[in-house]
Amino acid sequence: SAVISQKPSRDICQRGTSLTIQCQVDSQVTMMFWYRQQPGQSLTLIATANQGSEATYESGFVIDKFPISRPNLTFSTLTVSNMSPEDSSIYLCSVRGLAGITDTQYFGPGTRLTVL
Amino acid sequence: QKEVEQNSGPLSVPEGAIASLNCTYSDRGSQSFFWYRQYSGKSPELIMFIYSNGDKEDGRFTAQLNKASQYVSLLIRDSQPSDSATYLCAAVNNDMRFGAGTRLTVKP
Repeated sequence: SAVISQKPSRDICQRGTSLTIQCQVDSQVTMMFWYRQQPGQSLTLIATANQGSEATYESGFVIDKFPISRPNLTFSTLTVSNMSPEDSSIYLCSVRGLAGITDTQYFGPGTRLTVL
Repeated sequence: QKEVEQNSGPLSVPEGAIASLNCTYSDRGSQSFFWYRQYSGKSPELIMFIYSNGDKEDGRFTAQLNKASQYVSLLIRDSQPSDSATYLCAAVNNDMRFGAGTRLTVKP
C-alpha cells in the first residue's frame, strides 16, 4: 500500500514564527487535503490542496494564515504563519485517489505542533 | 446543527462483547461513509467504508447504513482490549466531514 509521510513529525515553535509542514506520497493521488485536530477534538478540514492552483479553503481558514502549495500529484506543503498558542494542534495530511480508488481517504502520520 | 454526529462516549464494553457505535448525518447528498479508528497520539486509520443501504461485513466489523434515516453504525464483535480507541464516523459529499468521535474502552 502507498506510504504517506509528513515532516516534521513534531515541532515546538515560538509565537510569531512560521512553520512549513511537508506531505509526501509515494504514488500519485488525485486529491490532497489538510486537516487540523486540536487536543481532544475531531478533525477539521483546513483546505483542499489543488495541483498548480490556489488551495480551496474552508470557512474560518485563510490563505494568509495557512498558505498551501501542491506542485505535483505526490507532494504538498502547509505553512502555519505568524503562529500563536491557539495554533497548537496536530496537522494531518490526507489523500484520496490512491490506486484509483476515488472516495477513500488515507491519512499521514501527522505533525504535532506546539506554539509557546 | 453538526453535519455528522456521534455519541462522544465513553463507551465501555467487556472483552468478548459486541460494541455498537452510532452516527447520524445531516447532508442527504452524502454518498459514502467511512469509519476510522484513532489510537491516542496516532493518525486515523481506515477500518471500513460503505456506500449502499444494508450491512457490510469485514472480519469482526460490520458497518450498517440506512440512508432514509441518515444513520450509519459500526458493530465490533468479540471486542478486544486492542480495540480500545476513538472511532470516527465520516460522510462524503465531495468533502469528507467527520463526527466528533466515540471513545471505546474494552475491559479485559
